[in-house]
Amino acid sequence: DGGITQSPKYLFRKEGQNVTLSCEQNLNHDAMYWYRQDPGQGLRLIYYSQIVNDFQKGDIAEGYSVSREKKESFPLTVTSAQKNPTAFYLCASTKVDGYYNSPLHFGNGTRLTVT
Amino acid sequence: DQQVKQNSPSLSVQEGRISILNCDYTNSMFDYFLWYKKYPAEGPTFLISISSIKDKNEDGRFTVFLNKSAKHLSLHIVPSQPGDSAVYFCAASRPAAGNKLTFGGGTRVLVKP
Repeated sequence: DGGITQSPKYLFRKEGQNVTLSCEQNLNHDAMYWYRQDPGQGLRLIYYSQIVNDFQKGDIAEGYSVSREKKESFPLTVTSAQKNPTAFYLCASTKVDGYYNSPLHFGNGTRLTVT
Repeated sequence: DQQVKQNSPSLSVQEGRISILNCDYTNSMFDYFLWYKKYPAEGPTFLISISSIKDKNEDGRFTVFLNKSAKHLSLHIVPSQPGDSAVYFCAASRPAAGNKLTFGGGTRVLVKP
């Protein structure tokens, strides 16, 4: 069964600690994305990667870092520099396919709570 | 600045009637638009899309309308069913700029039996 796996579903951390959220896909998709959702708000783009070993900042990249060493994996690190890290984090992927990529396919998210 | 806006945070509709969700955008460079449906604690799932060369796209009970001059799109769900109760997000992209999606704030739909 192809899909995107985000783990863990719930994550708790103390303020000042870095934390890494996992995202793995077995859809053979080229591009991967990280979004953040806050209560009552839409999804905001943190980072994205179109190919292995390359990634670009999204709209709210400050305080986050990513790596793309393998096509299947796009981990997100929430650093202590992120001012408001508590949120619902969503990973997505898509196949790069001509002018219009196929629609983003999302994982089920990780809810991060920092106290 | 919010480039994609959904001005109605919630909508309540009777089962069997039509649900109409609206979305406005400000960036005229957007040329591909999508609607996603989201249940609590899950990722969004793709519903329907439309490119800027069309003004209507239909898929079963779901129809998306695009008015480029007004920078406005809408999603019609007819007939509405209780399983349609969810949060709906519209999203816009510029495929020439990496296919990044810009999302609206969402509209929560409640379909009453």
